[in-house]
Amino acid sequence: QSALTQPASVSGSPGQSITISCTGTSSDVGYYNYVSWYQQHPGKAPKLMIYDVSNRPSGVSNRFSGSKSGNTASLTISGLQAEDEADYYCSSYTSSSTRVFGGGTKLTVL
Amino acid sequence: EVQLVESGGGLVQPGRSLRLSCTASGFTFGDYVMSWVRQAPGKGLEWVGFIRSKTYGGTTEYAASVKGRFTISRDDSKSIAYLQMNSLKTEDTAVYYCTRDRGRFDYWGQGTLVTVSS
Repeated sequence: QSALTQPASVSGSPGQSITISCTGTSSDVGYYNYVSWYQQHPGKAPKLMIYDVSNRPSGVSNRFSGSKSGNTASLTISGLQAEDEADYYCSSYTSSSTRVFGGGTKLTVL
Repeated sequence: EVQLVESGGGLVQPGRSLRLSCTASGFTFGDYVMSWVRQAPGKGLEWVGFIRSKTYGGTTEYAASVKGRFTISRDDSKSIAYLQMNSLKTEDTAVYYCTRDRGRFDYWGQGTLVTVSS
């Protein structure tokens, strides 16, 4: 199972919006609506930000949103804030009942 | 409050074994799939494997990189999930996280570091 493809880095200024893509195949991202996104600050455990493509857990800001088209999922962060600077990972359920992560994207807030 | 606490990490020589534990609290442990996820130093997240609840047979699935070497088990009476790691390689060096798996990893432990080195 190959890792999902994410851009290595993205950046944006405070207040702007950014989008991180996550490309898989018809056996993972395109197969189920079980795509999730995680935020990880240095030295910390990952935190669930989006699940089932576009749902936000309780307590996660509505500045975070998710979507999917075909084999590509996307995470959008609007009204960028300094504390959003972190690594972001997508993950998907697969047709072989395993799980797979993306390679991760480093978000820099300029 | 849901809590997951990993333990058992440390320094181990290549080819040896190590067992990690994940002690859960704050939810009905036996009702959930539990996954292990690892992160090599400076690298991304890698799913290691999971164990289903007894309701679904308590069966397991593994990543290709660890299949045949790692085994996940659970003791629902103690709310503990285990990761038995055999024939360890230097590339298994990572922080190992225990997670509650509902098709998404909604709760994570703080992680335990495993270093495989001679």
